[in-house]
Amino acid sequence: EIVLTQSPATLSVSPGERATLSCRASQNIGSSLAWYQQKLGQAPRLLIYGASPRATGIPARFSGSGSGTEFTLTISSLQSEDFAVYYCQQYNNWPPTFGQGTKLEIK
Amino acid sequence: QLQLQESGPGLVKPSETLALTCSVSGGSTSSSSYYWVWIRQSPGKGLEWIGSIDNSGSTYYNPSLKSRVTISVDTSKNHFSLRLSSVTAADTAVYYCARSYSGYVPNWFDPWGQGTLVTVSS
Repeated sequence: EIVLTQSPATLSVSPGERATLSCRASQNIGSSLAWYQQKLGQAPRLLIYGASPRATGIPARFSGSGSGTEFTLTISSLQSEDFAVYYCQQYNNWPPTFGQGTKLEIK
Repeated sequence: QLQLQESGPGLVKPSETLALTCSVSGGSTSSSSYYWVWIRQSPGKGLEWIGSIDNSGSTYYNPSLKSRVTISVDTSKNHFSLRLSSVTAADTAVYYCARSYSGYVPNWFDPWGQGTLVTVSS
């Protein structure tokens, strides 16, 4: 199965600043990558699919990029509600797999 | 708007079978456009896909769980179900149901149910 490695495990950023989260795949997955946001006690919420298109209702400050094995989620001008855990997920192959998550915390 | 709701026992004894149901509203499990999916999340293993089923009953299972998992769909009741046999403490997790588009690949998951905590303990 494809292993996704997210970095860093924890990212401390001040409100209003930019956050950059990384996800690396153990093999080429093209653009078959999604990003999710999870807040404490809630289910994950889809942010990005196909590596870059935003899901319905997701603010423009969230952007995804990358292809192949290297992917990035960028959150420009962090809002208080953006501090959460972020997961990447590949769907190029069965079984679909998730990264271990990046916790975005307030600096 | 599609909504998913998990239900089932919150406590299961070791060696017994975990059984959960996901009720679907605002959409139909008889649609050929989607997979109906189970995912779990535990502190030790993070998010783990369990399996997916389409409206015809065709299933895909995680190889790591395949010998113990059965997913079924009841289109007349508009719900789908998960059974996981011979559970151990390692199966303690929050179990989510979700939907994905059907196709040759698993696709992304959206939306998700709120999740239900299942604890395996005697």
